[in-house]
Amino acid sequence: KQEVTQIPAALSVPEGENLVLNCSFTDSAIYNLQWFRQDPGKGLTSLLLIQSSQREQTSGRLNASLDKSSGRSTLYIAASQPGDSATYLCAVNQGGSEKLVFGKGTKLTVNP
Amino acid sequence: AAGVIQSPRHLIKEKRETATLKCYPIPRHDTVYWYQQGPGQDPQFLISFYEKMQSDKGSIPDRFSAQQFSDYHSELNMSSLELGDSALYFCASGIRTSGANVLTFGAGSRLTVL
Repeated sequence: KQEVTQIPAALSVPEGENLVLNCSFTDSAIYNLQWFRQDPGKGLTSLLLIQSSQREQTSGRLNASLDKSSGRSTLYIAASQPGDSATYLCAVNQGGSEKLVFGKGTKLTVNP
Repeated sequence: AAGVIQSPRHLIKEKRETATLKCYPIPRHDTVYWYQQGPGQDPQFLISFYEKMQSDKGSIPDRFSAQQFSDYHSELNMSSLELGDSALYFCASGIRTSGANVLTFGAGSRLTVL
């Protein structure tokens, strides 16, 4: 059974800092991996999708990497801003269906 | 661009009552997924449909049922509601084409059971 773990559970940083969020998964036979952002009580916004054949994806200040063989992904946020404060969720698609298995998320707080 | 529409956005019910949540997928998307996210929890997969047929099933209680209609909208029916059913329910839709498998999530329906 696929399990997704995110470390740390919470992170507080000053504005402008670069930071890394970690995600690990137990079964490396994934189809793809997605990073989502969730604001309190709100829906899920997809940030980056990495296919299993890819190593990384970039969007603006965000960069996600994938090391499928070791079961790890990182989300790098450059020059963090208070507006980046949210919970960041990692989810893997096992393949065979589009069902996603989520981690419990990292709650990020960027202090002005 | 059209997104995944969920209704109602908020719903308050008493224990043992019934609730129905609706999901309108993005036009031309042929798959629909339902997820449940309890307070402080990660989203848990409930059930999915492909071309109006159930395609996968997760940790969905027997008190819950769902279907996808001819116009591709989906409904999640929850009966004999319990306090523990209070959660944010997400619907997501996608296209079952090779290489993508990207789901777009709706804003969610928040169910509160009193």
